[in-house]
Amino acid sequence: DAKTTQPPSMDCAEGRAANLPCNHSTISGNEYVYWYRQIHSQGPQYIIHGLKNNETNEMASLIITEDRKSSTLILPHATLRDTAVYYCIAYHGSSNTGKLIFGQGTTLQVKP
Amino acid sequence: DTAVSQTPKYLVTQMGNDKSIKCEQNLGHDTMYWYKQDSKKFLKIMFSYNNKELIINETVPNRFSPKSPDKAHLNLHINSLELGDSAVYFCASSSRRKLSYEQYFGPGTRLTVT
Repeated sequence: DAKTTQPPSMDCAEGRAANLPCNHSTISGNEYVYWYRQIHSQGPQYIIHGLKNNETNEMASLIITEDRKSSTLILPHATLRDTAVYYCIAYHGSSNTGKLIFGQGTTLQVKP
Repeated sequence: DTAVSQTPKYLVTQMGNDKSIKCEQNLGHDTMYWYKQDSKKFLKIMFSYNNKELIINETVPNRFSPKSPDKAHLNLHINSLELGDSAVYFCASSSRRKLSYEQYFGPGTRLTVT
C-alpha cells in the first residue's frame, strides 16, 4: 500500500471549514484513499473514502486531484467535537488482507 | 446498540501473568482485527480473521494468540505479559462483502503491565 504524507498538526476556527491535505504520490491505480479520525482515547472512526471522483457524505467531503497524487478532506463547518487526529490511508480496497496502515496523521485542533 | 464492543475497558496486571481481551461485533461482519496502539500513539495491525480463518499475522510475539470462536467474536490471549505489552488494544471489524471495506473499531482496552 502507498505511503501517505500529512502535516503533523493544524488549527481551525470553530464554524469554519477545515481542509486537511494528504500527499500520496506513489498511489497505485487500484488503491483507494481512506480517511479515519481518532478522537482522544476513542477507537478510530471511518470518515470517507474515494478512488478517483470527489466524494461527499454527512461527515465530510473528499477532493482527489486528477492525477490522484494528493487529496483534501474537508470538514465544512468544524466544531469543537471535530478535534481529533485525522489519518489518510491509501488502501487496496479489494485486498484480501484488509491491512490498514496508519501513519502519524494530522492533529486537528478546532478552536472557539 | 454497540457495534463493536471490547471487555475489559481497563486491565492492570503484573508481569508474567496471562490475560485475555474479548471482542464482539453485532454488525454481521465477516472479518475482525486486532490493532495495538503504543504510548507514541502509533496504531498497528496485529491480526485479522475472516470467517474464523487467520489471514493477517503481523510480526507479533507468539505470546499473543488470537482466537475466533465464531464470526462475531475475536478474542486476544496474551501469555507471560511483559512491560512492553502495555498499550491500548483495539478490535475492529469489516465486511468483505461490501465494496467499501471500511473498518469499525471498538472503544479499546487499555492494558497496563506493572
